[in-house]
Amino acid sequence: EVQLVESGGGLVQPGGSLRLSCVASAFSFSNYGLVWVRQAPGKGLEWVSTISGSGFTTYYADSVKGRFTVSRDNSKNTLYLQMNSLRAEDTALYYCAKEGAYGHRYFDSWGQGTLVTVSS
Amino acid sequence: EIVLTQSPGTLSLSPGERATLSCRASQSVSGTYLAWYQQKVGQAPRLLIHGASNRATGIPDRFSGSGSGTDFTLTITRLEPEDFAVYYCQQYGSSPLTFGGGTKLEIK
Repeated sequence: EVQLVESGGGLVQPGGSLRLSCVASAFSFSNYGLVWVRQAPGKGLEWVSTISGSGFTTYYADSVKGRFTVSRDNSKNTLYLQMNSLRAEDTALYYCAKEGAYGHRYFDSWGQGTLVTVSS
Repeated sequence: EIVLTQSPGTLSLSPGERATLSCRASQSVSGTYLAWYQQKVGQAPRLLIHGASNRATGIPDRFSGSGSGTDFTLTITRLEPEDFAVYYCQQYGSSPLTFGGGTKLEIK
């Protein structure tokens, strides 16, 4: 069974930085694109970033472009999200998720999320 | 950016009834690349449908998806108690990837 386990969330002041991690298991890690999706408290889902299986191609939502950087280490089956210049509106539960087969960008497995709170 | 509008915002039904959830796109979704997710309180979303009408692995056949272009529907026949949750649609035909605002399916 596919497992995705996020970590690294916490309380950070506005303007601060945080790095999230997502450790994956039970699938051929480097063959799949991975994404970060966030959910603000009581709100809906928002796609944040995607990285291809090789790690060579990345995409970002306009709301985080220039502040967040997605990366992966295929030798460690781990996905990362470096978040800089954090704002109050970045407060959310951050999920990592695995893309579907054949590069289709729906998300067939999700972690349980890690909570990021940006507040002074 | 494709905006997805889900309706109704809240749907109140009883177990055993049929639920029809709508997802309307602001422009045509390329290749029927439309997915549906179920999210229960305190849990991560779960993929139900991809490609507008293809059930994900392990999803009961009471869940079905249909539609193309700008209008998509998720139908749940014979609601079970565990089906009461929030449902989201997502388009993956063009960037940026976008989600609808969700429909809350609650017990009447």
